[in-house]
Amino acid sequence: KAGVTQTPRYLIKTRGQQVTLSCSPISGHRSVSWYQQTPGQGLQFLFEYFSETQRNKGNFPGRFSGRQFSNSRSEMNVSTLELGDSALYLCASRGQGAYGYTFGSGTRLTVV
Amino acid sequence: DQQVKQNSPSLSVQEGRISILNCDYTNSMFDYFLWYKKYPAEGPTFLISISSIKDKNEDGRFTVFLNKSAKHLSLHIVPSQPGDSAVYFCAATERRDDKIIFGKGTRLHILP
Repeated sequence: KAGVTQTPRYLIKTRGQQVTLSCSPISGHRSVSWYQQTPGQGLQFLFEYFSETQRNKGNFPGRFSGRQFSNSRSEMNVSTLELGDSALYLCASRGQGAYGYTFGSGTRLTVV
Repeated sequence: DQQVKQNSPSLSVQEGRISILNCDYTNSMFDYFLWYKKYPAEGPTFLISISSIKDKNEDGRFTVFLNKSAKHLSLHIVPSQPGDSAVYFCAATERRDDKIIFGKGTRLHILP
């Protein structure tokens, strides 16, 4: 069965712009989480969605937002981009009752 | 406040020897622990996990040990192989549906 798909794989944006990243979870998975990976900071939790509702949220500013659609696909939006937002953004999904996530390959965002 | 800590940013081990990766946590409510492996330009992949009711879980060359009193877990890889060279993330969660908290990762180099 297909894995977690993230698009686009690479993105270059200018400071001040906004960006939308997309994630399609594994078929049947209703939980989708987003993480930011930067050098030296590991994987930092952004938010988790389940059945179109945000269930958990990490400690990121309001410029970072997300949503989930009825087909469980999710989008993450970052507004007013800053240089420090340059990172690998990872999406992960999990089935109901499961502990572990399955991750996508990520979107590499570079802000210049 | 970092709830999951991997204090060694990197580790080098000779091929065929044992690799031991360590992880400490501060939240006594964590009840499930996971290890993920990550290659460059790919998303993390699940490796092995352990419930807080156990102190050891083994899967082939990989064994995870949990010491709840010390709030410490370790991942043992025996024997180490070149393909094991990657970044290893320790992770923990409080409940089945709760967010998973990751450490900053340890980069493992397997030397020929």
